[in-house]
Amino acid sequence: DTGVSQDPRHKITKRGQNVTFRCDPISEHNRLYWYRQTLGQGPEFLTYFQNEAQLEKSRLLSDRFSAERPKGSFSTLEIQRTEQGDSAMYLCASSLELGAEKLFFGSGTQLSVL
Amino acid sequence: EDKVVQSPLSLVVHEGDTVTLNCSYEVTNFRSLLWYKQEKKAPTFLFMLTSSGIEKKSGRLSSILDKKELFSILNITATQTGDSAVYLCAVRAEEKLTFGTGTRLTIIP
Repeated sequence: DTGVSQDPRHKITKRGQNVTFRCDPISEHNRLYWYRQTLGQGPEFLTYFQNEAQLEKSRLLSDRFSAERPKGSFSTLEIQRTEQGDSAMYLCASSLELGAEKLFFGSGTQLSVL
Repeated sequence: EDKVVQSPLSLVVHEGDTVTLNCSYEVTNFRSLLWYKQEKKAPTFLFMLTSSGIEKKSGRLSSILDKKELFSILNITATQTGDSAVYLCAVRAEEKLTFGTGTRLTIIP
């Protein structure tokens, strides 16, 4: 499968714990995006990378959130000191720089904070 | 702040019916409007529209954009149960997409 893959598919954690998600984009795509989606809402933009550079971060991304894409390939999203309000589906998407509208999404990581 | 509003939020129709989904937007530096279909987890791309009045068509699905009135519609004719999904409208301004809340379409056999 050469699509966008995310790991894990589900994560249950206790409030206050740290969690890390991984995203492997389509191999030739140099843009990588993180979105968050809660029930009944559309995806909300969190951040995006072009190669290894993080070019934009949403106001939604508090100091507890950090994202990296160290070699311009896979990316990780870490949430420190999780809160119940962090419970959501975290979606990763990738695209080519040319044609950046056409995002290819992964199946997401469903986070539940108890 | 960029804004995308979809209507209706939910729609239930019988197989074979035709449906129209609406999307209105307020963004600065508009570049394009996109429609995605989300069945379970990953949204999948349907259409990208950049010019007014030019209909994009793919099988039973079609979409058109009106940049003067700032809206788009997605039409699905002869609906099938496999069309049941959430349909997301998104607008590109600068380098990110801003999504609406989606329309949940349910097709009854």
